[in-house]
Amino acid sequence: KAGVTQTPRYLIKTRGQQVTLSCSPISGHRSVSWYQQTPGQGLQFLFEYFSETQRNKGNFPGRFSGRQFSNSRSEMNVSTLELGDSALYLCASSAAVGNYGYTFGSGTRLTVV
Amino acid sequence: KQEVTQIPAALSVPEGENLVLNCSFTDSAIYNLQWFRQDPGKGLTSLLLIQSSQREQTSGRLNASLDKSSGRSTLYIAASQPGDSATYLCATRSNDYKLSFGAGTTVTVRA
Repeated sequence: KAGVTQTPRYLIKTRGQQVTLSCSPISGHRSVSWYQQTPGQGLQFLFEYFSETQRNKGNFPGRFSGRQFSNSRSEMNVSTLELGDSALYLCASSAAVGNYGYTFGSGTRLTVV
Repeated sequence: KQEVTQIPAALSVPEGENLVLNCSFTDSAIYNLQWFRQDPGKGLTSLLLIQSSQREQTSGRLNASLDKSSGRSTLYIAASQPGDSATYLCATRSNDYKLSFGAGTTVTVRA
């Protein structure tokens, strides 16, 4: 079956702009999580959505937001981009039932100039 | 707050040698632990998922052990190959709907 699909793969934005990233989970998976990966901070949790509800949020400023649609697809938005937002943004999908694991997408590489 | 540590940060071995990667975590109240592989600039590929009730999990040349009470997991890769060169990450899942990751071990297998 199809894996986790993230679009776009690469983005270059200017400081102050906003950006929207998209994630389509594995069919049947109702949970989508987002992570930011940078060389200095490693993998940091942004937020998790289950059935359109945010269940947990990481320690990021309010410029970072997300949502999940009824078909489980998720988007994350970053407003007023800063140079430090340059990172690989990874989306993970899970069944969120029982002792589940996570499947990650290939990521979106965001560069802020 | 869960803290996950991976030692060593980097490892270089000749082809054919067995690899031993260590992961430790501070909070033993986990549901499971997952090992991932990451190639440069790519996403994470799941290698093994060990439930909290399990002691080990095996897939091909990979074997992962879990000692929840002492907060440790070890990933063994037998007979390493140059294609095993990558960064290996361990992550724990607790009851807060997120994974807590270690910083990873970067492995280089020399031909």
